[in-house]
Amino acid sequence: AQTVTQSQPEMSVQEAETVTLSCTYDTSENNYYLFWYKQPPSRQMILVIRQEAYKQQNATENRFSVNFQKAAKSFSLKISDSQLGDTAMYFCAFKAAGNKLTFGGGTRVLVKP
Amino acid sequence: DAMVIQNPRYQVTQFGKPVTLSCSQTLNHNVMYWYQQKSSQAPKLLFHYYDKDFNNEADTPDNFQSRRPNTSFCFLDIRSPGLGDAAMYLCATSGDGYTEAFFGQGTRLTVV
Repeated sequence: AQTVTQSQPEMSVQEAETVTLSCTYDTSENNYYLFWYKQPPSRQMILVIRQEAYKQQNATENRFSVNFQKAAKSFSLKISDSQLGDTAMYFCAFKAAGNKLTFGGGTRVLVKP
Repeated sequence: DAMVIQNPRYQVTQFGKPVTLSCSQTLNHNVMYWYQQKSSQAPKLLFHYYDKDFNNEADTPDNFQSRRPNTSFCFLDIRSPGLGDAAMYLCATSGDGYTEAFFGQGTRLTVV
């Protein structure tokens, strides 16, 4: 069974600064996807970024980037130039063959003006 | 716009009274998920469908059932809601394989 661990329950960051969220996972699969989802206070979960395990290049989406270390089973998210609208819960998630999508415990990010 | 729609957004039910939550999608995705999310916690997978193939999580209580009559619709039935079942219920869909999931806005269930 796959497990996903987020060790930081809460992070705060000043507006315009950078914050990095940690995620580790455990799996015996070789092919899988990793995701970061954002859940703002309105509660709808939206995709931030995804990473294919077979790709060595780290994914980037505008101000969001990941540091994917496959051997270490680590998948961190960096939010650059933080904005007030980035305040939300962030969930790391794992999906392998079989379609099951497993979430980590989440990190609450608070962006302060 | 293609999307995942959950109805109702808010549901109040009495202790022990059966309740059904619904989810529909216009994405034509094979996979549909139901998650339970309690305050400030991670979504907990209850079950998922791949087409009509039902996959139940081992720790999902028997009180929770699901139906998927066609590709577009999926229902979550709670046969005898208890106070501990009060939560946000999230429906999500995805294509087959390693694709991301798309979520509905959720149904917040209150049990009184």
